[in-house]
Formats: sequence, structure tokens, C-alpha cells
Amino acid sequence: DTAVSQTPKYLVTQMGNDKSIKCEQNLGHDTMYWYKQDSKKFLKIMFSYNNKELIINETVPNRFSPKSPDKAHLNLHINSLELGDSAVYFCASSQGTGAEKLFFGSGTQLSVL
Amino acid sequence: AQSVAQPEDQVNVAEGNPLTVKCTYSVSGNPYLFWYVQYPNRGLQFLLKYITGDNLVKGSYGFEAEFNKSQTSFHLKKPSALVSDSALYFCAVSGGYNTDKLIFGTGTRLQVFP
Repeated sequence: DTAVSQTPKYLVTQMGNDKSIKCEQNLGHDTMYWYKQDSKKFLKIMFSYNNKELIINETVPNRFSPKSPDKAHLNLHINSLELGDSAVYFCASSQGTGAEKLFFGSGTQLSVL
Repeated sequence: AQSVAQPEDQVNVAEGNPLTVKCTYSVSGNPYLFWYVQYPNRGLQFLLKYITGDNLVKGSYGFEAEFNKSQTSFHLKKPSALVSDSALYFCAVSGGYNTDKLIFGTGTRLQVFP
């Protein structure tokens, strides 16, 4: 039973398209995150939601819009995809914030052509 | 602002030898420190964390880390490396005035040779 699952695993698309990545956690956690890992493996936080409320919104282009319909789901919608959006996107969850450990999904490899 | 540095891109060690992966941090106030491991094509997995208390923290797979406040370091160690330990290791910090945000280091690739 996967704790944090994200779909799709791979996403190949053309520049200018709009795409979504879905994430679900069955751990009963209050907090969910989106991280971006670039080609050099650098990992950077994008968004964080706590009980469906946005608590972290890093300097991410507004083409990226997270949506949390309930605390078990955090989806990421990306408009007008650009070449630089190519990366691996990881969803994660934790019980609370700060001192709590994160549980990560297996990632979505996004390739923009 | 909080930050974390991993000065080594790669660490090579022979199987059976001790290993150390270095991490230093900067945070105003008390840090919360973490180590995560990433195997190929997988998400990150939690290894251990330091919040407060004993400076030596023990974690998964025989790993441990020592919190050193004066040197602002949190190096990851293992007494005897295994080939299966080969992976990408990330140090991370939160705390101080911003406990909500976990900042990751750039990662260190550990290669254990048979």
C-alpha cells in the first residue's frame, strides 16, 4: 500500500501545453508539499499546504497552481509549459511541519519538448 | 535565512570501511536537522533527524549523525559501508524563525566499492 502516490510517473509534452500531476497520501497527514528536482539533483520546495491551506509559496511562476481539494490530495497544474520546467517533481507529506519527517512519492519525470 | 551546505559532490569508500558524508548548516535559532537518502528513480527516504537532546542520533540502516553546535555541522556516518549504501544523500534543515520550510542541501553521491 503506497503511502504517497503521484501520477503520472512520466510526462512528456510539448511547449505551451497545460498539464497536471496528481498526488495522494493515505497516511492521514496534515501537510503536503511539492518539490522540484532539477537535472543536477538540486531539490527545491515549491508549495506547502497544511489542512488545505497554502502555507508556503516559493518564488514559483504563477503558471504553477497547486490545488488541495482535501488534506489527502495535493495536485499541481502547470500552464503554458516551458523547456525549463523539465525536471522531476516530488510530492511529499508530513504530520505537521518543522520537526516532522517527510514521506516522499516516487516522483514525476516531466519532459517538455 | 536558513541554508545547508554539502561540500562534497561525491564520496568514494571501500566496502567495510567507515564513511562520512559532511553537512554544515546556517539557521537563526535552534535547527532541526535531517538526513534523507535517494536511490535511483525513487523518492527521498528519511534516515534520521536531530531536534534536541543527545548530539549523536541513530537512524535507519546503521547510519548515525552527530550534531555539533559549535561547528554548525551534522555529518552522517556509518562504521562499515555496504555496496548497497551507494545512493544520493541529502542533508536538510528547518527551524529558527521558519520551522515550516525544509531546505535541502545539494546532495552528496556516495559510491561504495566492493
